[in-house]
Amino acid sequence: QKEVEQDPGPLSVPEGAIVSLNCTYSNSAFQYFMWYRQYSRKGPELLMYTYSSGNKEDGRFTAQVDKSSKYISLFIRDSQPSDSATYLCAMSALGGTSYGKLTFGQGTILTVHP
Amino acid sequence: DADVTQTPRNRITKTGKRIMLECSQTKGHDRMYWYRQDPGLGLQLIYYSFDVKDINKGEISDGYSVSRQAQAKFSLSLESAIPNQTALYFCATSDSGTSGSPLTDTQYFGPGTRLTVL
Repeated sequence: QKEVEQDPGPLSVPEGAIVSLNCTYSNSAFQYFMWYRQYSRKGPELLMYTYSSGNKEDGRFTAQVDKSSKYISLFIRDSQPSDSATYLCAMSALGGTSYGKLTFGQGTILTVHP
Repeated sequence: DADVTQTPRNRITKTGKRIMLECSQTKGHDRMYWYRQDPGLGLQLIYYSFDVKDINKGEISDGYSVSRQAQAKFSLSLESAIPNQTALYFCATSDSGTSGSPLTDTQYFGPGTRLTVL
């Protein structure tokens, strides 16, 4: 079983929809949680990061972490065609064998159609 | 100019050939990483380097080697390429200077190299 599981989709939604992307993980040492966005033929770019449990909002994007359930989410409100990309969750720990390294989910392919 | 550059961007080669992928960064970061990306598998860590004299194997290092020529340069070599090494390869950097904050582990990626081994 992978340390981080992410539904690869693909996910197709109409413009304006609310999108929910999710990851589950098994390593309780993970403390930092990130979402990367990757456009076609580009490298991943950091979208949001959060530390420990709670919510973080940035414009139309909200990142949510529930450490008790080992579950993280990214919500996109009022989705736009420009949001069409692959979204990857990533996690890291403060120490141990995961120190300084990120563990990625498989990525979810999102298409927002006009 | 891009902060993290990779060369070449595309490469087609034959089984058994030696291939080198190069990565350079102008971000001033001390940590560098090599990943491969395959459909449905996400990003898998090949090698990582926390400074010029510190190189470590990742999840899938077999068949690969690396060289950290300088703080800004990190090369990945396939000594004898095989078809199942066909993939998208990414270099990434991070900064240990932000130790203690979530930014410590934030990685910045290059544009990738698409490698095809026939």
